[in-house]
This record gives sequence, structure tokens and C-alpha cells, in this order.
Amino acid sequence: AQSVSQHNHHVILSEAASLELGCNYSYGGTVNLFWYVQYPGQHLQLLLKYFSGDPLVKGIKGFEAEFIKSKFSFNLRKPSVQWSDTAEYFCAVIQTDSWGKFQFGAGTQVVVTP
Amino acid sequence: DSGVTQTPKHLITATGQRVTLRCSPRSGDLSVYWYQQSLDQGLQFLIQYYNGEERAKGNILERFSAQQFPDLHSELNLSSLELGDSALYFCASSVATRGLHEQFFGPGTRLTVL
Repeated sequence: AQSVSQHNHHVILSEAASLELGCNYSYGGTVNLFWYVQYPGQHLQLLLKYFSGDPLVKGIKGFEAEFIKSKFSFNLRKPSVQWSDTAEYFCAVIQTDSWGKFQFGAGTQVVVTP
Repeated sequence: DSGVTQTPKHLITATGQRVTLRCSPRSGDLSVYWYQQSLDQGLQFLIQYYNGEERAKGNILERFSAQQFPDLHSELNLSSLELGDSALYFCASSVATRGLHEQFFGPGTRLTVL
């Protein structure tokens, strides 16, 4: 079955630490990939997306992600986190010939301590 | 603000009842998606409509139904409600050009079934 897996359910780190969240998918065809963030009490917001081209994509708020096709991975990174990055992060995948059936990962709750 | 609006923000009802959740997509977006977010199931895709027609179906129960109207707003109808239907219901919209599926999420409707 097609699936998206996020490696960590909870991550706790200190301000200025580096963050890397793993995401792997199992779709066989061409996919579009996304990372969304959900701040406490808010709706999902798009952090970044990959459709094609340079596998290293930069998003908002200093986040970036690298698409490694051979590993079916799309890991999210931020070199130095801030307290305001405390949120839940979701990886999402959709097949390019699909009509919109996003498959979301289970989410990673990130807590940044001052 | 994503431009997607949802009403109501909160809904409290009893088991066996029926409720209707409403979503207005961003201006220009033809596609509307419904998701259910719960602690145990995560973020689950329910259904997608494009310009009034159903396009994709996910893990939507038979007790649930949706439609998209000519003005492109959508309604999600939940009937014979059970305690387990308590969740946050998100609507998202996109231009829905095949292969490019960035979705913009609304603030959600929190449904509590007592």
C-alpha cells in the first residue's frame, strides 16, 4: 500500500540547534512533495514544495528540504531553530497524475525550548 | 490567512445527530478537499471536488457526504454521528491543475460529539 512515513513523532530541542525531520514515501511513480506546518491552534501552512528540478528546495522561515529519489525521501532541515518553530510538521505526497489525493505523514511534533 | 474560510469554527452536538460544515475556497480555486484530523488517525483525506464534480475519494464513511455548489463553496454533511467522529475537519482548496497540487488550508471546524 502507498504510504508516507515520518520517522519521529516527537522532537525536543533547544534554540539554535539544527533540525532534521525525515520523510519517506512508497509511491512508485512521479510525485510532488510538500512540507506543511501547523502552529498551535492554527491551520496548516505550506513550508515548501518540490515539483521538479533542483532537488534542494528552499521554503519560508529558513527551512529547506532535499528530495532524494533513490531513497524515496524528502527530509526537512533548518540549521538553527527558534522558539517560534514549535509546531507540528507534516510531510505530504501526491502522485503527479493524481487528482488530489494527498497522503500525509503522521506528523512530527517539534518543541523548541528557550 | 490562506483565503479559505470555514464555518462554524466549533460545533458541539450529540450522537445520532447530523451536522453540515461549510467551506469557501480561495478566489479562483476550483478544487475543494476535505480532511479529518484526529489524534489517533492523524490527517486523513476524505474527498475532493473539482468544479462541482467529485474527483477523488479517500477514507470517507458512508455516513458522510459532500457536495460543491455552482459558486464553488462546499459542504460536508456528517450524519448519524458517533463519538469517534469528534475531530478537526479541514477544508483545502487549490487550482487543481493536474500535476500541480499545492493546497491551501482553512482554519478548520472542531466537531465535538457528546
